[in-house]
Amino acid sequence: EAQVTQNPRYLITVTGKKLTVTCSQNMNHEYMSWYRQDPGLGLRQIYYSMNVEVTDKGDVPEGYKVSRKEKRNFPLILESPSPNQTSLYFCASSARTGGVNLAWETQYFGPGTRLLVL
Amino acid sequence: AQSVSQHNHHVILSEAASLELGCNYSYGGTVNLFWYVQYPGQHLQLLLKYFSGDPLVKGIKGFEAEFIKSKFSFNLRKPSVQWSDTAEYFCAVNAQDTGRRALTFGSGTRLQVQP
Repeated sequence: EAQVTQNPRYLITVTGKKLTVTCSQNMNHEYMSWYRQDPGLGLRQIYYSMNVEVTDKGDVPEGYKVSRKEKRNFPLILESPSPNQTSLYFCASSARTGGVNLAWETQYFGPGTRLLVL
Repeated sequence: AQSVSQHNHHVILSEAASLELGCNYSYGGTVNLFWYVQYPGQHLQLLLKYFSGDPLVKGIKGFEAEFIKSKFSFNLRKPSVQWSDTAEYFCAVNAQDTGRRALTFGSGTRLQVQP
């Protein structure tokens, strides 16, 4: 079954304690992305990756790191979490289409990770 | 940078009523446009997308959207809503000619359909 998985699904931590949220997809997609969802703000893109070893900042990258060492995995790292990073996090992936206009394919979203930073 | 506005934050309709949710974006170049839906407790799912061609796009579950370039709008419509359409709806845009694959979402519209 084609899917995007995230772990953990729920996490409570304390300020400053490093954490990693994993994301994995089994569709051989080139493109992966992380979003956070907050009430009244919708989804905001944190980082994205267009392929292995290629990452770029989204709209709200501060306080986050990512890596893309393998095609299927795209972990989100919070080196020193703070309470303002309490949020619902989504990972997504999509295939890369051809063409000079870098057209998009449908993004497949993971189930979400609810993070609470105390 | 592009931005997306969804002016209706919460919409309440009765079953069989017609729906139109507004979406406006700010970017002067070529865009890809999307509507996503998030049912309670579920993942985001793509409803429909516009890349080019016919500005009237049909999606799943009877939804459609019209791209009006002169108005920078991509409004979502459905002629007759059902209780099962209760969900949160997000409009999103990608600036196609920037070379970036950043996707900007609106803040969402919560639709409540009353039986």
